[in-house]
Amino acid sequence: EAGVAQSPRYKIIEKRQSVAFWCNPISGHATLYWYQQILGQGPKLLIQFQNNGVVDDSQLPKDRFSAERLKGVDSTLKIQPAKLEDSAVYLCASSPGPVTNEQFFGPGTRLTVL
Amino acid sequence: GNSVTQMEGPVTLSEEAFLTINCTYTATGYPSLFWYVQYPGEGLQLLLKATKADDKGSNKGFEATYRKETTSFHLEKGSVQVSDSAVYFCALSDSSNTGKLIFGQGTTLQVKP
Repeated sequence: EAGVAQSPRYKIIEKRQSVAFWCNPISGHATLYWYQQILGQGPKLLIQFQNNGVVDDSQLPKDRFSAERLKGVDSTLKIQPAKLEDSAVYLCASSPGPVTNEQFFGPGTRLTVL
Repeated sequence: GNSVTQMEGPVTLSEEAFLTINCTYTATGYPSLFWYVQYPGEGLQLLLKATKADDKGSNKGFEATYRKETTSFHLEKGSVQVSDSAVYFCALSDSSNTGKLIFGQGTTLQVKP
């Protein structure tokens, strides 16, 4: 069974530029999560999708971050404009459904904002 | 709000030593508790979980018991190996059934031969 795929693996940008990350969850997984992991901290949930609907985006900085999950499969997370404090690893995870509570994580995208 | 606190790292042990990584939590209701592991260069993997008080999760020689009276979920292994070197994250999923995970800050384990 293929795991969660993410791209790119690494990205370096200047502040105020925009960037987008892509996630392909495990086939058939209805629930998709985006987490932000700042160096030395645990992952923090940014947004959760159930199919193509948003379940929780309370921690998403909506003035600069946006995410979508068209057709309930792949998802993209965008930052525009980026700030220095956005430097982090962005993790995508998927789950068959929220009640199972087991999430499968992708390798992450490491973003550096200069 | 809900939160998870882990012991600070790094933890450095010799091979075959006993491991304990402390984890305590604050939550309303009855959360599920998890340990995730992140090996160098890899994504987070579920190591073990427990969904109710007094449950013991176990996997690959690691164990953790859900202690509601002390709000703890300490990770233990009787004899660590070099291959156990990784970052370990304690997490909880609250009782709202959204599946949202709240993580501790992670504990780095380094096992020396």
